[in-house]
Amino acid sequence: GDSVTQMEGPVTLSEEAFLTINCTYTATGYPSLFWYVQYPGEGLQLLLKATKADDKGSNKGFEATYRKETTSFHLEKGSVQVSDSAVYFCALSTGNQFYFGTGTSLTVIP
Amino acid sequence: EAQVTQNPRYLITVTGKKLTVTCSQNMNHEYMSWYRQDPGLGLRQIYYSMNVEVTDKGDVPEGYKVSRKEKRNFPLILESPSPNQTSLYFCASSLSSSQETQYFGPGTRLLVL
Repeated sequence: GDSVTQMEGPVTLSEEAFLTINCTYTATGYPSLFWYVQYPGEGLQLLLKATKADDKGSNKGFEATYRKETTSFHLEKGSVQVSDSAVYFCALSTGNQFYFGTGTSLTVIP
Repeated sequence: EAQVTQNPRYLITVTGKKLTVTCSQNMNHEYMSWYRQDPGLGLRQIYYSMNVEVTDKGDVPEGYKVSRKEKRNFPLILESPSPNQTSLYFCASSLSSSQETQYFGPGTRLLVL
C-alpha cells in the first residue's frame, strides 16, 4: 500500500545551520507530496507541496523537490532559526486518502 | 476568520461510554477528514468525506463512526470507547479533495480509562 518513510528524529541544530529531513514514499499512481509543520500545542499547517515530478515546493526558506526517480521529497533549509523548532511531517495523497510519515522533531538552539 | 473548530479540546471518559467529537469548518470545503496522532506512528487517517452523505474509511476506521449531514460539520463518534482509542484527534478540511491543502483543527486530546 501507499506509505511515507521519513527520517527519524529528534534533530538538534544550532541557529543558521543547514537542515535536511529525508522523506521517501511508496505509491501507486501519481501522488501529490506535502510537508506539514506542527508547532507545540497546535494543529498542522501546510509548509509546502508539489503535485508532479520535478516540481519544487518552497515556503519560508524551506524547499523540497519531487523526485520520481528516487521516490523522494527531502526537506531543506539553508539557515534555520530558533522559530523553526517544530515537528515536520512528510505526507502524500493519492486518490482520496492521505498518508503521513511519523514526523521529525527539530530543535534549533541559539 | 477561516477556520476548523473542534469540540471538546480535552476529554476524559471511561470505557464503553459513547462520545462524539464535533468538527466544523466555515470555508465551504467539500472534503473533510479525521486523523489520530500517536507517538511514533504519526497521523493516521480514520475516515474521510468527499461531500455531504459521502463518507469512506481511511486506514484505521475500526471503533469509529462518522456522518456528514451538512457540508460544514463532520462529527466523529465513538460508540464504545476503549483505552486503545486514547489519542490526539485532528479534523481537517480542504476545498475538494485530499490532494489540495488541508486545514487542520486545533486537536482533541482524548483519554479513555
